[in-house]
Amino acid sequence: GENVEQHPSTLSVQEGDSAVIKCTYSDSASNYFPWYKQELGKRPQLIIDIRSNVGEKKDQRIAVTLNKTAKHFSLHITETQPEDSAVYFCAPDDQAGTALIFGKGTTLSVSS
Amino acid sequence: DVKVTQSSRYLVKRTGEKVFLECVQDMDHENMFWYRQDPGLGLRLIYFSYDVKMKEKGDIPEGYSVSREKKERFSLILESASTNQTSMYLCASTSQGGGGYTFGSGTRLTVV
Repeated sequence: GENVEQHPSTLSVQEGDSAVIKCTYSDSASNYFPWYKQELGKRPQLIIDIRSNVGEKKDQRIAVTLNKTAKHFSLHITETQPEDSAVYFCAPDDQAGTALIFGKGTTLSVSS
Repeated sequence: DVKVTQSSRYLVKRTGEKVFLECVQDMDHENMFWYRQDPGLGLRLIYFSYDVKMKEKGDIPEGYSVSREKKERFSLILESASTNQTSMYLCASTSQGGGGYTFGSGTRLTVV
């Protein structure tokens, strides 16, 4: 099955800095790469996703980049704000009928 | 606004009790999932279902069972609750084409 690792497990930045979280996976058949954000006490929510035919996708201050050869993809957050503080999960998937396997999460803390 | 609704936000049960956690979605999604979330362990898949009356084991099915009698409802059953099942339980759904999950708000279960 898919082996998913996220790094770092915790990340502390100053407001306005950039943050990068990396997700490595083992299944070369993975072709869908989402990132979820879970604020304290709330449900995880999909914030951005990318499919394997695209190398990068941006949505305002967040972006996801994919390196299929090396089997990793990364979440980039620019101009971080305190409301970006949350746990972020990756969940690479081959969309072949199995459920998502999530990474263990990265806790991002943005201090003002 | 599409919703995944979990019937209880907080639940306290005694060891040995039979516990039902209910999840209902109004998006006509085929796929439904149960995860448990524990600090440092991320989200771990318990069971999932691709259709009415169908179920598949996830990574940690021991001590749990599920029921899907109607498309919109997916129930998680703890046959005989134990203290190591104290956790946050999250239900999610997605359409048959895959893509992003919609999560419920979670049920925080404490077994005493």
